[in-house]
Amino acid sequence: DGGITQSPKYLFRKEGQNVTLSCEQNLNHDAMYWYRQDPGQGLRLIYYSQIVNDFQKGDIAEGYSVSREKKESFPLTVTSAQKNPTAFYLCASSIGTGAASTDTQYFGPGTRLTVL
Amino acid sequence: DQQVKQNSPSLSVQEGRISILNCDYTNSMFDYFLWYKKYPAEGPTFLISISSIKDKNEDGRFTVFLNKSAKHLSLHIVPSQPGDSAVYFCAASAAYTNAGKSTFGDGTTLTVKP
Repeated sequence: DGGITQSPKYLFRKEGQNVTLSCEQNLNHDAMYWYRQDPGQGLRLIYYSQIVNDFQKGDIAEGYSVSREKKESFPLTVTSAQKNPTAFYLCASSIGTGAASTDTQYFGPGTRLTVL
Repeated sequence: DQQVKQNSPSLSVQEGRISILNCDYTNSMFDYFLWYKKYPAEGPTFLISISSIKDKNEDGRFTVFLNKSAKHLSLHIVPSQPGDSAVYFCAASAAYTNAGKSTFGDGTTLTVKP
């Protein structure tokens, strides 16, 4: 059945290490997104991609990097330059045809990253 | 500058009563609005949406109202059920931006008491 998956659900890393979070979708969606959620706060956009091999910075891109080599996959790397990486990371996708009615995003279950 | 605001961090209602969650926005270019529901440690799920050409959209127990002049929308849940207890996020997008690039509010935690 179709959906969006993120792995792993929990991830622990030592300070100073880069870490890559996986996001895969089989919904045939063009657009994919990465958000970060901190306690008591909403979803803040890190990066988004409208099409393969293209992506744009969101509101809090510093310290993060992404790639979009395949339509189904949009991995996020949290680099050592990210000053406060411990957070809940959510990946999402949408049809992304350009019409507002396709703005509905489908979210993965999230990855909780803890940097020790 | 937060463009989408949910001023009530939490709301508690009795089962069977109406829940009203509010959302205000500042960007007049927003023309599509969505509500998402989120349980702890899970991703949000889409609940209901409304286009700026409408002022009301209804889906079962859920109704969203849009007041463009006031830049305000609300989500009504009636009757409320304990399973509705979750965090509700309001989101807004503008047709002139890339589709799907929604701006989210901080969320309102709804607790429905049995």
